Amino acid sequence: EAGVAQSPRYKIIEKRQSVAFWCNPISGHATLYWYQQILGQGPKLLIQFQNNGVVDDSQLPKDRFSAERLKGVDSTLKIQPAKLEDSAVYLCASSQAGINSPLHFGNGTRLTVT
Amino acid sequence: GNSVTQMEGPVTLSEEAFLTINCTYTATGYPSLFWYVQYPGEGLQLLLKATKADDKGSNKGFEATYRKETTSFHLEKGSVQVSDSAVYFCALGSDSNYQLIWGAGTKLIIKP
Repeated sequence: EAGVAQSPRYKIIEKRQSVAFWCNPISGHATLYWYQQILGQGPKLLIQFQNNGVVDDSQLPKDRFSAERLKGVDSTLKIQPAKLEDSAVYLCASSQAGINSPLHFGNGTRLTVT
Repeated sequence: GNSVTQMEGPVTLSEEAFLTINCTYTATGYPSLFWYVQYPGEGLQLLLKATKADDKGSNKGFEATYRKETTSFHLEKGSVQVSDSAVYFCALGSDSNYQLIWGAGTKLIIKP
C-alpha cells in the first residue's frame, strides 16, 4: 500500500510569514494526526481528525495554527504568522479506527523559521 | 493519567552487543503498547506492538514483552548492527480516543 504522503519536505521562511503543509493519508484510514516534533524531543500531538471532524485540538495554538481535512481525506496545516519557536518537523500520521491500530507516519516537513 | 517513561539516552554500544531499552508505563485499563523507530532524516515507523498482557511483539530481531505485573515493555535485541542506530520511542495506546502517549525517545548509537 502507498504510505502517508507529505509535502513539502523542507521549508525555510522568515518569522511573521505564513506556511502551509499538506498530507495525504493512507487510503481508507479514518483517523489523521498532525504532530510537531522539536529536535531531540518526542512528537507532540497538535490535532486529531476522525474523518473530517476534529477529535482533539487541545494543544493546537489556535491564534496562529489552523488545520482542516476536507472530505475526510487530505489535510492541510497552516501557520500564520510563524514564530522562531515553530521551527520543528511537522509529522502527519494516519490510522484505521481502533486502539490496536498502529499509526503510519509520513516523512515529515522540516520547517526552519529565521 | 497515562504516562510512559523511557531510559535516557544516548545509548552507545558496539556492533553485536546485546541491547535493552527500558520502558515502563502507568495506565488505567488495558492499553496497547508500541515501539516506534525513527531513522535519521525519516519519519517514525512502527517497529513492534503488543495488545495484551504477556504478548510478545517482534520484528527485525527486536522483541518486547508486555508485562502487566511490572508495567513494562522493554525493547531487546540480541546482536545489534550499525544500521540499528536510530531513536526509539515507546508509546501507549489510549483506549478512549485512539491517541498515543509517547515516551521521550532513546537515541541508540552503534559503533562498528
